This record gives sequence, structure tokens and C-alpha cells, in this order.
Amino acid sequence: NAGVTQTPKFRILKIGQSMTLQCAQDMNHNYMYWYRQDPGMGLKLIYYSVGAGITDKGEVPNGYNVSRSTTEDFPLRLELAAPSQTSVYFCASSPRQATNEKLFFGSGTQLSVL
Amino acid sequence: GENVEQHPSTLSVQEGDSAVIKCTYSDSASNYFPWYKQELGKRPQLIIDIRSNVGEKKDQRIAVTLNKTAKHFSLHITETQPEDSAVYFCAVPDFMDSSYKLIFGSGTRLLVRP
Repeated sequence: NAGVTQTPKFRILKIGQSMTLQCAQDMNHNYMYWYRQDPGMGLKLIYYSVGAGITDKGEVPNGYNVSRSTTEDFPLRLELAAPSQTSVYFCASSPRQATNEKLFFGSGTQLSVL
Repeated sequence: GENVEQHPSTLSVQEGDSAVIKCTYSDSASNYFPWYKQELGKRPQLIIDIRSNVGEKKDQRIAVTLNKTAKHFSLHITETQPEDSAVYFCAVPDFMDSSYKLIFGSGTRLLVRP
């Protein structure tokens, strides 16, 4: 049981490049989230999903896209990377049950856009 | 949507003293109030949570209190130790658009001086 797995751990992009951050969970959780954390700052919600085939915008969705074709996977796509997207990205999942709403976080992806 | 404010942004205490961090929220329908701890370079992890039908919950040296009337909840750490040094985040559910997502406070950096 690996929990929430994120890849890659580190990445440097040039302005205008695109990339996909991978996130997979093996806990059969319906709810999955993408947060970004700027240096010294809090967690801002980018996108979330309540189940396969369903996604919705969070607080800061501009410049990102997501898909949820399976329960396990929730990739985050960056198109036309900008320096403002330099951040640490955390994927998380939750069972969202009446007695268990805990968020399980991945180890994060540190992204620099230069 | 939900608005979460967390204070203070930084807190420095002497080892053995107590630390208190407070969060206020805007949606009176919120019913779940977790606290996450993030050590330097690590992922956030749930340390304690409380539901709206309970006024206080304790787990060894940490406790959370909830005042639903005033719409605020607090994290209390007693007999602080150097390993308590970390960033602490409160979170509140946002039920806007009939969906469910956790909105995080801006974080409190706690430093415990030996």
C-alpha cells in the first residue's frame, strides 16, 4: 500500500514549455485534490475531483488542466509554463466518509519555471 | 465560498510553554475542522480534527477547541518540544456548488526554542 504517489519529485521547465504532473493513489479514494504551495505560503486548491469522470476548479485553476479517467489517477497538466507557476505541488486523496475525512498527501513535486 | 483566516502567522515559544493558534471561518454550515502539521520539506499530515457536535478534543499534548457561535477554532499545544517546530495549517470544508473541498488557512510557523 503505497498511498499517494507523485512523479516527478523535481522538475525545471523553461517558459512556454508544458508538462504533466502525475498522481496515483491505491486506497480506492473517490476524492482527489491538487494544491500548490508557494515558498513560505499556504496551500491553494487548484483542481479537485469527486470521482472518475468528474473534475472541478478550485481557488487558482488558471494555467492548469486535469483529467480523472480512473479512480486511481489524477494528472495535472501545465500548458505554457510561466514563472508564476514556480511552486511545490501536492496531490492528495480522501475517502470522504462520515467518520474519515483525512487528506492523504503525496510527497510533492517541486517545479521551477525559468 | 468559505473564507479562512489563521493567526498568528509566526509564533515563537520557549520549550515547555504552551502555543495557541486560532482560525476563523465564514460559513456557519461548516462541520469539520482539521489541523495539519508540515515539517520542513515534508508533506502536510493530519494531527487532530474535530466535528461540530463536539466542543473540544484532546490527543496527548495537543487539543482543538471549537466555538461555533463565534465561528472560530483553535489548536492548543502544551509542554512544547523542539520537534513541535513546524508550520501548522487549519482547514475548513467548502460546500459551494454542492461539492466538497477543503480550504486551508495561510499557516502558522511555530518555533520552539530549546
